[in-house]
Amino acid sequence: NAGVMQNPRHLVRRRGQEARLRCSPMKGHSHVYWYRQLPEEGLKFMVYLQKENIIDESGMPKERFSAEFPKEGPSILRIQQVVRGDSAAYFCASSPERASYEQYFGPGTRLTVT
Amino acid sequence: GQNIDQPTEMTATEGAIVQINCTYQTSGFNGLFWYQQHAGEAPTFLSYNVLDGLEEKGRFSSFLSRSKGYSYLLLKELQMKDSASYLCAVTPGGTGFQKLVFGTGTRLLVSP
Repeated sequence: NAGVMQNPRHLVRRRGQEARLRCSPMKGHSHVYWYRQLPEEGLKFMVYLQKENIIDESGMPKERFSAEFPKEGPSILRIQQVVRGDSAAYFCASSPERASYEQYFGPGTRLTVT
Repeated sequence: GQNIDQPTEMTATEGAIVQINCTYQTSGFNGLFWYQQHAGEAPTFLSYNVLDGLEEKGRFSSFLSRSKGYSYLLLKELQMKDSASYLCAVTPGGTGFQKLVFGTGTRLLVSP
């Protein structure tokens, strides 16, 4: 039973480029959360999605960031026109139900903006 | 607002017991979590407390006092592989889902 999959594991982008981060939840999970971990800081909630719906995006910057979780395929976190401050580890977690406390994390994508 | 505090770093020796404290102030409360995170890896779930008291799971125990906004994670019979960051996270109430608010984590170094 595969866990939460994220790819790529490492991503390098130049300032101004776009970054696309993918997350495939655990089998049977239809709820996805994205978190960002800046160097020397804690994990910060960004967005919570169910299939085809964004439920809560209160932690996501209003500009340049977007997320989706289509009916088919992985969840995508998209960052347009990346800046150095976007360099961080981005973690995805999934859970089987809305109020489930079982939240399983993927290995993360480490984004470096040069 | 949400505020979660834990010590930045702790050291201990193999075989010893260590207690990592966490205090929190959140708007509502729907449970407290402890996660372990090795460098460069995903956080892994250790424990979940929603009622006051002690939850024991093998070498790890977690305690919660809701009235004091306080929790601790107790690690017994420390092993070298326990060197990791330990993350305290709270789910604020009223969201209807488990949005986790994390502290900055406590880096634990276990020495021989």
